Amino acid sequence: QQQVKQSPQSLIVQKGGIPIINCAYENTAFDYFPWYQQFPGKGPALLIAIRPDVSEKKEGRFTISFNKSAKQFSLHIMDSQPGDSATYFCAAPSPRGTYKYIFGTGTRLKVLA
Amino acid sequence: DTGVSQDPRHKITKRGQNVTFRCDPISEHNRLYWYRQTLGQGPEFLTYFQNEAQLEKSRLLSDRFSAERPKGSFSTLEIQRTEQGDSAMYLCASSTSGITDTQYFGPGTRLTVL
Repeated sequence: QQQVKQSPQSLIVQKGGIPIINCAYENTAFDYFPWYQQFPGKGPALLIAIRPDVSEKKEGRFTISFNKSAKQFSLHIMDSQPGDSATYFCAAPSPRGTYKYIFGTGTRLKVLA
Repeated sequence: DTGVSQDPRHKITKRGQNVTFRCDPISEHNRLYWYRQTLGQGPEFLTYFQNEAQLEKSRLLSDRFSAERPKGSFSTLEIQRTEQGDSAMYLCASSTSGITDTQYFGPGTRLTVL
């Protein structure tokens, strides 16, 4: 069973800090790695995603770094704010060539004011 | 609102009862997915549709679960003879047909089986 290993499970940072969340995958049918942000009682919302032609992607304060050879990717949140407090999930495509995602177990982030 | 919508948002039922959830995807999206999420876990894939065709079902989807998308638009997920272990958030997502097209999630239906 394909797994996506996500760490840490929880993270507490001060406002302005740079939390880093890491994910490792096994095999995928294609390279596309989205990150989702989820607030309590809500569905996951797409935050940022990376395709295989680049090793890094920035959108605002959020950056994904991608290491294809190591099968790892990470999310960095620059100048974190209390409003970033949420659960973050990485996802990777199934290795079987279908279009489902395999999700990590999530990282609960708390940004202190 | 042009996002994915789900109904109901919350459902409380007694063990053994049947429940049905509805998902309305983003209108131009021809792929529709169902996931289940339990507390402290990431979403787990259940099934997906390309238009009206159900193309994949997870082993998590026991015989008590059935999903339909009769006209390639909205979808329903039915759980028969609910069990306490079915208590979870049921999430629907939709996307267009490209390989790397993003899946957009709805707000979910929270099921509690007493």
